[in-house]
Amino acid sequence: DADVTQTPRNRITKTGKRIMLECSQTKGHDRMYWYRQDPGLGLRLIYYSFDVKDINKGEISDGYSVSRQAQAKFSLSLESAIPNQTALYFCATSDSRDSPTNEQFFGPGTRLTVL
Amino acid sequence: QKEVEQDPGPLSVPEGAIVSLNCTYSNSAFQYFMWYRQYSRKGPELLMYTYSSGNKEDGRFTAQVDKSSKYISLFIRDSQPSDSATYLCAMTPSGSARQLTFGSGTQLTVLP
Repeated sequence: DADVTQTPRNRITKTGKRIMLECSQTKGHDRMYWYRQDPGLGLRLIYYSFDVKDINKGEISDGYSVSRQAQAKFSLSLESAIPNQTALYFCATSDSRDSPTNEQFFGPGTRLTVL
Repeated sequence: QKEVEQDPGPLSVPEGAIVSLNCTYSNSAFQYFMWYRQYSRKGPELLMYTYSSGNKEDGRFTAQVDKSSKYISLFIRDSQPSDSATYLCAMTPSGSARQLTFGSGTQLTVLP
């Protein structure tokens, strides 16, 4: 079974709709992250959470919100989707006890298309 | 200007070739340098990491860091079709927060 799962894997929606992407992990890691990947731009950090009570904005948080429902669950919401939010979204986890690289473990991704 | 620049490719080589993938960076605070490999329709996974300057070898893969030039490289010897993937460099400063800054990725195809 996958250690980091994301649902849905694919989603097509319309401009203005509210969308939630969900991430679950069985690795027992305390840190969780949401990235988006666009061609030519690589992975950009949207939000990250170091534990259930800790939420931090990343490089490109505008238009997004997150919720850390439990240590194992971290969801990303687009309150009112717009076409330039069309991208591949990845959830990742890491263990604060791991050193020295803070290795991150990625889910399989969610391909989101906003029409 | 991006903090980390990476040639996006695509790069296509014959099986058995030596492959060189490179990134440059501007933030002198970066101390840990990583290479992630991403197969099609999958999430990235850590391939190798290096601390500060120097070389690190793991089988057919060698990672090099030149901090004086702010330049890192990944060499793949005897490349195989199974090496076909997108390779992303990633960097982070030392310290407990240590968010990763990724390059845009280089798409590599090794032809049989």
